[in-house]
Amino acid sequence: DGGITQSPKYLFRKEGQNVTLSCEQNLNHDAMYWYRQDPGQGLRLIYYSQIVNDFQKGDIAEGYSVSREKKESFPLTVTSAQKNPTAFYLCASSISGQGISPLHFGNGTRLTVT
Amino acid sequence: GQNIDQPTEMTATEGAIVQINCTYQTSGFNGLFWYQQHAGEAPTFLSYNVLDGLEEKGRFSSFLSRSKGYSYLLLKELQMKDSASYLCAVGSTDSWGKLQFGAGTQVVVTP
Repeated sequence: DGGITQSPKYLFRKEGQNVTLSCEQNLNHDAMYWYRQDPGQGLRLIYYSQIVNDFQKGDIAEGYSVSREKKESFPLTVTSAQKNPTAFYLCASSISGQGISPLHFGNGTRLTVT
Repeated sequence: GQNIDQPTEMTATEGAIVQINCTYQTSGFNGLFWYQQHAGEAPTFLSYNVLDGLEEKGRFSSFLSRSKGYSYLLLKELQMKDSASYLCAVGSTDSWGKLQFGAGTQVVVTP
């Protein structure tokens, strides 16, 4: 079955450590996205990518980095520069980078930094 | 920028109807989405409106008025499994691919 896989589901890190969240899709979608979800707030866009080897900052990119070397993969690194990294992270994809098409979400990674 | 408002929580009885309102302010409006999200899970797509009017999909319907910056999601014949958060998201031609999400409305269905 096609879908988006995020791993791991839960992740614990010590403050000051970088951590990479995995996102893989087999939907053959061009566009991929990373969102952050905090209690009582809407999803906020961290980074997005329309095509391979290209990505743009979203609304809250500081302290995060991404790569898009393959169409299927869009890993997110949470660096030690991110001041408040504990959150629920959602990866998503959509058919095309042109216009509006529905987002398909992975099941999320809950990151806890202590 | 975009401003999206929806109520924080609504409670309704099994079998009843609930209407979740969403108001928005945006330039270059390019469509409005509704997503359902159960606790700790991924949001799933429910509906998309880009033109004024009502879109019906089984027990769920979504309405849009572009002139009023207003949409609602109507859930009919409520079931316990409909207890979830419902997210309103707006697209704009000013910001490709950058859907702006509301904070979500938590719907609680009681027996």
